[in-house]
Amino acid sequence: GEDVEQSLFLSVREGDSSVINCTYTDSSSTYLYWYKQEPGAGLQLLTYIFSNMDMKQDQRLTVLLNKKDKHLSLRIADTQTGDSAIYFCAESIAPSGSARQLTFGSGTQLTVLP
Amino acid sequence: SAVISQKPSRDICQRGTSLTIQCQVDSQVTMMFWYRQQPGQSLTLIATANQGSEATYESGFVIDKFPISRPNLTFSTLTVSNMSPEDSSIYLCSVETAGVGNEQFFGPGTRLTVL
Repeated sequence: GEDVEQSLFLSVREGDSSVINCTYTDSSSTYLYWYKQEPGAGLQLLTYIFSNMDMKQDQRLTVLLNKKDKHLSLRIADTQTGDSAIYFCAESIAPSGSARQLTFGSGTQLTVLP
Repeated sequence: SAVISQKPSRDICQRGTSLTIQCQVDSQVTMMFWYRQQPGQSLTLIATANQGSEATYESGFVIDKFPISRPNLTFSTLTVSNMSPEDSSIYLCSVETAGVGNEQFFGPGTRLTVL
């Protein structure tokens, strides 16, 4: 079965880098995603990585994928107070006979301290 | 990307009543989904809303409790029927675009409180 795990909390100082980690179990994942959820808001897609890539960079965001260990990370450079939010990783799988769907991790609450 | 709106944004309902949530997308999309996010929890997929046919429900969710309509490629509704306090959650619709990454974009959610 599919299972996506994240640590629940992370605190960093403003200006430092944040690294949010995620592990998944389904080796058939095609894409892996990072979403951001601010208080009282829906989910904002931040970035995604194709399963045959090992790194993707997009401005302050760097995604690293270790497919052998089924480990995904999101690094936020120069973290700002506006980055405080819950970050969800998600894997895209296609269960046998079913349409492709997302399985979400529990979310990591990132708190940026001044 | 896709711009998604949901109505209502929030509601407080009495036990035993039903609420219908609407989801509108600014472009035609094939895949639309409904998720539930219970307080302090992650997202759980309720069902895939199929245009022109019955929705496909995930384990633990049934059509009698969560009837879904998908009359066209830009609109869907989710009804939460015979509500109880355990149904208090955020309900989110999402759409999958036809882009390279098969990205899913989410609506702002409907925050439901059942008394």
